[in-house]
Amino acid sequence: TQLLEQSPQFLSIQEGENLTVYCNSSSVFSSLQWYRQEPGEGPVLLVTVVTGGEVKKLKRLTFQFGDARKDSSLHITAAQPGDTGLYLCAGVGGSGAGSYQLTFGKGTKLSVIP
Amino acid sequence: KAGVTQTPRYLIKTRGQQVTLSCSPISGHRSVSWYQQTPGQGLQFLFEYFSETQRNKGNFPGRFSGRQFSNSRSEMNVSTLELGDSALYLCASRDDPRAHRNFGPGTRLTVT
Repeated sequence: TQLLEQSPQFLSIQEGENLTVYCNSSSVFSSLQWYRQEPGEGPVLLVTVVTGGEVKKLKRLTFQFGDARKDSSLHITAAQPGDTGLYLCAGVGGSGAGSYQLTFGKGTKLSVIP
Repeated sequence: KAGVTQTPRYLIKTRGQQVTLSCSPISGHRSVSWYQQTPGQGLQFLFEYFSETQRNKGNFPGRFSGRQFSNSRSEMNVSTLELGDSALYLCASRDDPRAHRNFGPGTRLTVT
């Protein structure tokens, strides 16, 4: 069974601070996705990283895929209250999984205090 | 286009009962996946249907079943409910196996 470990599980920070969320696995994935989920809603895709070492930026969010395609990180600069939510990473097509199947981490619950 | 819709949004059932949840995908999407989300286990894959055929199945007992209709709408059924089945059940649709999934808001099931 392949696992995606996310850390930290919970994060509470003040508005304006920076933070990094990590997603680690022993499995290699063809790509990795990051989602944000708000209460009462389903996850919404933020980004997909495909190439080992790839870095993608989405405004104040920076996503990086590890060189070996086993891990990823999400860095938020100058966090705002609107960034509050559950951040989920999901590996696509890992070993033992069907092509294009998703394996989710348990998520990082972020609270940004005004 | 309207997003993925799930009904009902909230449901309370008693242990031993059975339940049916419904999902209407985005128009034109032929693939529907179901996931169970709990605080302890996170999001876990239940099954995926494409053009009325089950293409993949996760590691859940046979009490969990699903089907897809010719209009791509999907239902999942859980029989003989257990307390541990309390969860948010999410449905996601996509128009191609390589496309990203569009999630619905989920159905919150509580088993008492």
